[in-house]
Amino acid sequence: DAGVIQSPRHEVTEMGQEVTLRCKPISGHDYLFWYRQTMMRGLELLIYFNNNVPIDDSGMPEDRFSAKMPNASFSTLKIQPSEPRDSAVYFCASSLMAVYEQYFGPGTRLTVT
Amino acid sequence: GENVEQHPSTLSVQEGDSAVIKCTYSDSASNYFPWYKQELGKGPQLIIDIRSNVGEKKDQRIAVTLNKTAKHFSLHITETQPEDSAVYFCAAKVTGANNLFFGTGTRLTVIP
Repeated sequence: DAGVIQSPRHEVTEMGQEVTLRCKPISGHDYLFWYRQTMMRGLELLIYFNNNVPIDDSGMPEDRFSAKMPNASFSTLKIQPSEPRDSAVYFCASSLMAVYEQYFGPGTRLTVT
Repeated sequence: GENVEQHPSTLSVQEGDSAVIKCTYSDSASNYFPWYKQELGKGPQLIIDIRSNVGEKKDQRIAVTLNKTAKHFSLHITETQPEDSAVYFCAAKVTGANNLFFGTGTRLTVIP
């Protein structure tokens, strides 16, 4: 299996622009998680899906953030408009058993200037 | 919510020595405690986990111990090798919840 796939790996954008991060979970996994990692706050859960349905989005910082999972093999995290404080590494993870045995993708490093 | 504290933040050991990383948690309802290893430029990788009905679990050179009374758990790496150098994160899950609370990470350096 190819593991969790994320794209792009690096994204540099200017403040105010829309950013879309993409994730393909491991085939057969029915849970998908989006995390953000920063030096100041560590690893934070933003939102997670079960069977393509958003279950808990309490970690999404603001209305500027939105996430979708149109099908079992694809999810997006969108930031509109982006701000410099959104700069972080964003990880997608998937699992068969909720939070147990999560497999993380390689991450997308986002820089907002 | 749950609060997970991790110590030390950095740890250097000589190759072949043991390394121990400790975490404490605040919510006595936590019942699942995984450890992740993150290498530079990569996502965290699950290396071992333990559930609250078990006191210790071992997998080759890696072991995790759990003390529910004291609300702390530890990662033990024996016979360390340079490839063990990475950032290690502990985490905890509260019963009934479906999210993990992560510690702040320990940067382990194994000196050849």
